[in-house]
Amino acid sequence: EAQVTQNPRYLITVTGKKLTVTCSQNMNHEYMSWYRQDPGLGLRQIYYSMNVEVTDKGDVPEGYKVSRKEKRNFPLILESPSPNQTSLYFCASSLSPAGTVYGYTFGSGTRLTVV
Amino acid sequence: AQSVTQLDSQVPVFEEAPVELRCNYSSSVSVYLFWYVQYPNQGLQLLLKYLSGSTLVKGINGFEAEFNKSQTSFHLRKPSVHISDTAEYFCAVSPMNRDDKIIFGKGTRLHILP
Repeated sequence: EAQVTQNPRYLITVTGKKLTVTCSQNMNHEYMSWYRQDPGLGLRQIYYSMNVEVTDKGDVPEGYKVSRKEKRNFPLILESPSPNQTSLYFCASSLSPAGTVYGYTFGSGTRLTVV
Repeated sequence: AQSVTQLDSQVPVFEEAPVELRCNYSSSVSVYLFWYVQYPNQGLQLLLKYLSGSTLVKGINGFEAEFNKSQTSFHLRKPSVHISDTAEYFCAVSPMNRDDKIIFGKGTRLHILP
């Protein structure tokens, strides 16, 4: 089954403790992206990657890092999480940049709480 | 720059009644248009898209949307909703002159009343 897999689904952590949210896709998509979803704000792009070793900032990149060492994986790293990073995070992949034309396939989401 | 406005944050509708979820956009260039659905505790799923051609687009689960260029709208419709349609619906727009940008609306939560 074609899918984007994120782990973990739920995570509670403390301020300042580094964490990584993993994302993997099995569709051989070149484009991958991370979004956060907050009530009233909709979806905002954090980082994206056009291909292996090619990453760039989205609209809200502060406090986040990413890497793309393999085509299928695109982990999101929070080096020093803060409470304002409490959110619902989605990884997405597409045949086309930014999900244009072909649309995105989204993961099931990671609900992160930073206390 | 482009923007997307979903006029209703929540829409309650009785089961088996028709529904329309409104989406308006602003853009100085031609756009691709999308509707995504997010069921409870799940990621977003592509419902339908308009790229070119016929302005009436049919999607999954009996939904359809009509592109109206003069009114810059892309409203989503279903003639008879079911309890399983309870979800949040997102409209999105992507400018044709850029292949790296998509803007999502803030979403419309559809509540199906028994």
